[in-house]
Amino acid sequence: DTGVSQNPRHKITKRGQNVTFRCDPISEHNRLYWYRQTLGQGPEFLTYFQNEAQLEKSRLLSDRFSAERPKGSFSTLEIQRTEQGDSAMYLCASSPGPGIQPQHFGDGTRLSIL
Amino acid sequence: GQQVMQIPQYQHVQEGEDFTTYCNSSTTLSNIQWYKQRPGGHPVFLIQLVKSGEVKKQKRLTFQFGEAKKNSSLHITATQTTDVGTYFCAGPSLNQGGKLIFGQGTELSVKP
Repeated sequence: DTGVSQNPRHKITKRGQNVTFRCDPISEHNRLYWYRQTLGQGPEFLTYFQNEAQLEKSRLLSDRFSAERPKGSFSTLEIQRTEQGDSAMYLCASSPGPGIQPQHFGDGTRLSIL
Repeated sequence: GQQVMQIPQYQHVQEGEDFTTYCNSSTTLSNIQWYKQRPGGHPVFLIQLVKSGEVKKQKRLTFQFGEAKKNSSLHITATQTTDVGTYFCAGPSLNQGGKLIFGQGTELSVKP
């Protein structure tokens, strides 16, 4: 069990640029979640996958956000035309599924928009 | 919409004092999970409670799930500096789709 891996750890970009983050879940976990966390708040759900199927997306996830998990293993989260309000920590988590199981979080990618 | 609320937002204690954080849900929950996030770290799963009125202990930590399954608490006895961090409760969404609704957390600081 090597844990959930996310990269990059930090991303600084100018407003209007596109960014992509990667998450590698624990290998035997078929559920993968993306959350966003801002200072002083709990993680906010963005989207989740069971294997390669994206099963739910939050209303927070505007059309500038897209997530994929093409082979049911790693996942990418892309933000197009970044805005100041996108600055946050983006956390990925995985769980064995199905049902409600403990989620294992990665260290996150901190996004800063200049 | 479905909400999970925690109080207090911050708690500063002297080492050796007790600490309690309270979690309330706007809806009945099938279960509740607790996570700890150290400063600069990521949330780490602590425990899951499923049954109405359930009480579970992990060394100095005691977790309770309310009879109505709408509230929960975490109590730490005789805090230590290693307890520093933010404690989150989280409940599953009503559609049972797997996503968690997190509270805003209680940040605990412990003065040696």
